[in-house]
Amino acid sequence: DIQMTQSPSSLSASVGDRVTIACRASQSVRRFLSWFQQKPGKAPKLLISASFTLQRGVPSRFAGGGSGTDFTLVISSLQPEDSATYYCQQTYSAPWTFGQGTKVEI
Amino acid sequence: QVTLKESGPVPVKPTETLTLTCTVSGFSLRDAQMGVGWIRQPPGKALEWLAHIFSNDQKAYSTSLKSRLTISKDTSKSQVVLTMTNMDPVDTATYYCARITWDDDNYYYYVDVWGEGTTVTVSS
Repeated sequence: DIQMTQSPSSLSASVGDRVTIACRASQSVRRFLSWFQQKPGKAPKLLISASFTLQRGVPSRFAGGGSGTDFTLVISSLQPEDSATYYCQQTYSAPWTFGQGTKVEI
Repeated sequence: QVTLKESGPVPVKPTETLTLTCTVSGFSLRDAQMGVGWIRQPPGKALEWLAHIFSNDQKAYSTSLKSRLTISKDTSKSQVVLTMTNMDPVDTATYYCARITWDDDNYYYYVDVWGEGTTVTVSS
């Protein structure tokens, strides 16, 4: 199975800060990498697919990048509503796997 | 509008078999290059992929849970069913189903729409 490792596990930042979350795969997943945002008590929401394709309705302050084994999710100017846990997921090889999550606190 | 709705028994006793149903609307399980997956999340823990099934009936399972899981679909009812045998208290979690769709530009599958989830508690 492909292991997905996110860093950091949690972070605290201020409104307006630039935040970067990393996701590393144990082997190449090409660009088959998605990012999800999950708020407490809610289902995850898709933010980015194919490493960098922003989903409709997702604010442009979110950006994804990377390919192969190393990926990033960047929030360019952190907002109060961005307080959540963020997960990466590879869909390159079954079983599809998630990172362990990064909790972002404001 | 695409929606998915999970349903299942609460609670479940240890050693019992769990049967979860995902009822979908806004798309068809017959649609080419479409699928449904099951994911779970124990309280306070990370997401865990369990299984998925495509419209062509291709299936895949979590390596660690493969021996306990069976996924199937009833296209006429727009339902995907997941069974998990020999339930244990560590299987207590919120179980989600989610749609899998095909990216024509990048030639890959990804998860886009999730159900609200159903909480399954395993207790004697």
